[in-house]
Amino acid sequence: EVQLLQSGAEVKKPGESLNMSCQGSGYIFTNYWIAWVRQMPGKGLEWMGVIYPGDSDIKYSPSFQGQVTISADQSTSTTYLQLNSLKASDTAIYYCARYGSGGHLVYFDSWGPGTLVTVSS
Amino acid sequence: NFMLTQPHSVSESPGKTVTFSCTRSSGSIASNYVQWYQQRPGSSPTTVIYEDDQRFFGVPDRFSGSIDSSSNSASLTISGLKTEDEADYYCQSYDSSHRGVFGTGTKVTVL
Repeated sequence: EVQLLQSGAEVKKPGESLNMSCQGSGYIFTNYWIAWVRQMPGKGLEWMGVIYPGDSDIKYSPSFQGQVTISADQSTSTTYLQLNSLKASDTAIYYCARYGSGGHLVYFDSWGPGTLVTVSS
Repeated sequence: NFMLTQPHSVSESPGKTVTFSCTRSSGSIASNYVQWYQQRPGSSPTTVIYEDDQRFFGVPDRFSGSIDSSSNSASLTISGLKTEDEADYYCQSYDSSHRGVFGTGTKVTVL
């Protein structure tokens, strides 16, 4: 069974940094793209970026380019999303999601439970 | 980049059929597959439709997807509405570089 296990909720102060994780299991980690999706409180889904753990090929949404960093560690089957210089507007749930159809960026076939990030002074 | 615009909300009675759209702002809706995701309150999204009209595993055949090039839009139809269908629904596609784009989301209320 494919599972995406995300790190726990975080409470941060403005200006701090955050590195959240998404560990994949039940499949060959290096063969599937993993994306990060933001959902601000009461708002819709926003596609942030994606990584192919096999070769660390990364694509960012123009809206998030330069604002976030996505990485992966093959040894632990874990993908990371780093946010720097946090602002209150970074308060959101961050989901990781796996693209299905092995290596093709078309549709998500599995989602993590989400990591709630709260940024407040 | 293009945008995908959905109606903010739709409502219908149990047992009825509801259809709502996802309109692409630029470029052809047919040029990249459209997916649909369901998100119930407090839960992660789940896949309903992929590649325009393919039902994801375990999704009942009450759900169907289509695209219409004349209106440059995709549509999700839910027939035989059940209270469990009450959720937010998001369409999703991608650009020529395969960067994803989500629609604005539609809240489905089963009266």
